Amino acid sequence: AQSVSQHNHHVILSEAASLELGCNYSYGGTVNLFWYVQYPGQHLQLLLKYFSGDPLVKGIKGFEAEFIKSKFSFNLRKPSVQWSDTAEYFCAVNAPGAGSYQLTFGKGTKLSVIP
Amino acid sequence: DAMVIQNPRYQVTQFGKPVTLSCSQTLNHNVMYWYQQKSSQAPKLLFHYYDKDFNNEADTPDNFQSRRPNTSFCFLDIRSPGLGDAAMYLCATSSHRELNQPQHFGDGTRLSIL
Repeated sequence: AQSVSQHNHHVILSEAASLELGCNYSYGGTVNLFWYVQYPGQHLQLLLKYFSGDPLVKGIKGFEAEFIKSKFSFNLRKPSVQWSDTAEYFCAVNAPGAGSYQLTFGKGTKLSVIP
Repeated sequence: DAMVIQNPRYQVTQFGKPVTLSCSQTLNHNVMYWYQQKSSQAPKLLFHYYDKDFNNEADTPDNFQSRRPNTSFCFLDIRSPGLGDAAMYLCATSSHRELNQPQHFGDGTRLSIL
């Protein structure tokens, strides 16, 4: 079964700082990768996804993520964060080759942006 | 314009008293999922419906059941809630079961057990 590790439980940044949230997964086959965001009091929303093709994926609100197959990583980045990016971020993976329809989530990283 | 609606947002029940959580969707999606998320943990898939076809995850306790009377509605029944079942329960939908279809989530129901 696949698993997902998010390295940071809580990240605190000042506005305009650059962001990188780590995500590593364990599965040797083909994977689909997702980042979801949950703003305070709101539901999980899709930020971006990778299925195939260009490993650098651009999502909403200036976020991007890079799939590095050799490192089993899918880190989320944003060059300059805003206070409104304060939220919890979840990395998720599913694996067509694993025979399961399960979307496996990481434990999430809470981002606090200080004005 | 909420597309996946969960009711109620907060549910309190007594130890051992059956409880039902509700999810409805306006997206006409074929697939509906139920996740359990405990504090500081990842959402964990309990089961999903693909149309009327029910798919249980291997480690989902028997205490958890689900019903999908039609495309729009799906219910999570907890027959005899224990203290360990206190969690946020998330409903999600996707248009197809193909793994590249993103899931759309509701706001969740936070379940407390007295």
